[in-house]
Amino acid sequence: AQSVTQLDSQVPVFEEAPVELRCNYSSSVSVYLFWYVQYPNQGLQLLLKYLSGSTLVKGINGFEAEFNKSQTSFHLRKPSVHISDTAEYFCALGGTAGNKLTFGGGTRVLVKP
Amino acid sequence: DTGVSQDPRHKITKRGQNVTFRCDPISEHNRLYWYRQTLGQGPEFLTYFQNEAQLEKSRLLSDRFSAERPKGSFSTLEIQRTEQGDSAMYLCASSPRQGAYEQYFGPGTRLTVT
Repeated sequence: AQSVTQLDSQVPVFEEAPVELRCNYSSSVSVYLFWYVQYPNQGLQLLLKYLSGSTLVKGINGFEAEFNKSQTSFHLRKPSVHISDTAEYFCALGGTAGNKLTFGGGTRVLVKP
Repeated sequence: DTGVSQDPRHKITKRGQNVTFRCDPISEHNRLYWYRQTLGQGPEFLTYFQNEAQLEKSRLLSDRFSAERPKGSFSTLEIQRTEQGDSAMYLCASSPRQGAYEQYFGPGTRLTVT
């Protein structure tokens, strides 16, 4: 069985400060990892993905994530956040037949001026 | 290039009524997925199609739920005899069959059962 744990339900952060959102996963099959962002009353937008290769992946809007197999983690980082980064962020795990995604519970980021 | 579209965006219905949602995937995407998202939670997988074939259904998909994808293009999700517990955001996503594992999501349909 697959599972995803996002360790922080809410992360308040000041504008222009760095932010890290933590994600741990459990899987017995091939691992494909994703981060999605969801703005209020909208669908999910793909930020970045890890399929194979380099463990440091860069995404849109200045976000990056590092895949760590030994720690079964895929933490998301941004060196300097903007007010517009206020949203909910979801870590997701694929790799089963049909590649349905298993999502974490989400981390709500609130950027303060 | 248009993304995934869903209709309606919002639906309010009374308990016991039937509702149907539509999803139009990105053109030429073979796979189509339905997820349900309740308030404060991550999306949960419901079912997926490859072309017109429904290949997997979650145990969350009770017998009141049915999904179709005729001709392998748009898909519909119908809920019969709605219950208050069905209130949620229903998300549709599509994915190319080969060479990509990411899914592209639509804006969702928010269902409120009163």
